[in-house]
Amino acid sequence: AQSVTQLGSHVSVSEGALVLLRCNYSSSVPPYLFWYVQYPNQGLQLLLKYTTGATLVKGINGFEAEFKKSETSFHLTKPSAHMSDAAEYFCAVRGLSGNQFYFGTGTSLTVIP
Amino acid sequence: DTGVSQNPRHKITKRGQNVTFRCDPISEHNRLYWYRQTLGQGPEFLTYFQNEAQLEKSRLLSDRFSAERPKGSFSTLEIQRTEQGDSAMYLCASSPPASGTQYFGPGTRLLVL
Repeated sequence: AQSVTQLGSHVSVSEGALVLLRCNYSSSVPPYLFWYVQYPNQGLQLLLKYTTGATLVKGINGFEAEFKKSETSFHLTKPSAHMSDAAEYFCAVRGLSGNQFYFGTGTSLTVIP
Repeated sequence: DTGVSQNPRHKITKRGQNVTFRCDPISEHNRLYWYRQTLGQGPEFLTYFQNEAQLEKSRLLSDRFSAERPKGSFSTLEIQRTEQGDSAMYLCASSPPASGTQYFGPGTRLLVL
């Protein structure tokens, strides 16, 4: 079965500090992995996705993620946090059928000025 | 590109009433998804349409829930005999053919009293 686990429901970083949000996946097939951001009272916005090919994926707003098969991980990073990065972040994996997507429980990022 | 739109944005109803939500996907997106998101959780897959065909339904989707996409464009999600446990954010997403990227709408927040 496909699933993702996000470690840490709340992460706080200082403005300008490194952002690291953790996601581990479980998949019986090569996974398609996604990171989404959700601002209050809004829908989800795609930050980046991994399908095949290069394991380091760059997304919008300076975020990137690295697919590590040996560690079954797809952690999200950003070198320098901005106040505008404060939001909820979700990791997701595509299901076997290709039509279902399984989301983690989310990580709330707080940026401290 | 006007994005995915959902109406209404908020709905308050009494237990036992029926409610219907509408989703208008991005034009020419043939794939449409419904999710439910409760507080502190990630979105949970409910159902998937390809054009007008409903191809997958989650076991979460009880027989009180029904979704349609009559002409392969907009979709409706109806909940009959609402229960307090139905209170949640209902998210719609669409994606173009042969793409794993979903574009989410802002959601409809349902409160069942």
